[in-house]
Amino acid sequence: SAVISQKPSRDICQRGTSLTIQCQVDSQVTMMFWYRQQPGQSLTLIATANQGSEATYESGFVIDKFPISRPNLTFSTLTVSNMSPEDSSIYLCSVVGSTYEQYFGPGTRLTVT
Amino acid sequence: QKEVEQNSGPLSVPEGAIASLNCTYSDRGSQSFFWYRQYSGKSPELIMSIYSNGDKEDGRFTAQLNKASQYVSLLIRDSQPSDSATYLCAVNFQPGNMLTFGGGTRLMVKP
Repeated sequence: SAVISQKPSRDICQRGTSLTIQCQVDSQVTMMFWYRQQPGQSLTLIATANQGSEATYESGFVIDKFPISRPNLTFSTLTVSNMSPEDSSIYLCSVVGSTYEQYFGPGTRLTVT
Repeated sequence: QKEVEQNSGPLSVPEGAIASLNCTYSDRGSQSFFWYRQYSGKSPELIMSIYSNGDKEDGRFTAQLNKASQYVSLLIRDSQPSDSATYLCAVNFQPGNMLTFGGGTRLMVKP
């Protein structure tokens, strides 16, 4: 399986600010996703990060709030903009391997005060 | 809307027993099914995938799929305290595409 890293691993941010989360994979992957896991909840898909084009967002998530970049097949960023305490979550990137199995990065734990 | 349902638990089993975790899904066209284990404070770890009806065994883990009943389960034999975690069932309609997760079942294995 691919080795996935995320930066930062955690952060505490003030409301109204923005945070950019990076996801780096050690091999080229076609499909990359961003998920959110709110405290005590399961995972919810934010968007599919498309290489060279705009991300595909799920219902309830918009580009202005969660802009995503994917400049190549090994890297993506998710920005959480104009943060509020409700954005406090774990943000996870995932990639699809050669056998269609999906693997997750270690996550970014965000606390908004 | 595609849904995946799991009993939230906690499911408590004694050490050495078989833990049985269940999951149902709403989309009859679903093709791929996965079980993830998530320890507190960690990201989900893939432990089993299953794509066709029947059983698939890997060590102490057995995944069972019944597409007619839209039901997938995970059996953990000889449960150990280290198996205590939340188990997430995930389903996708198209191989390699996005996953829809169940709410997870918290498993507690008591020594």
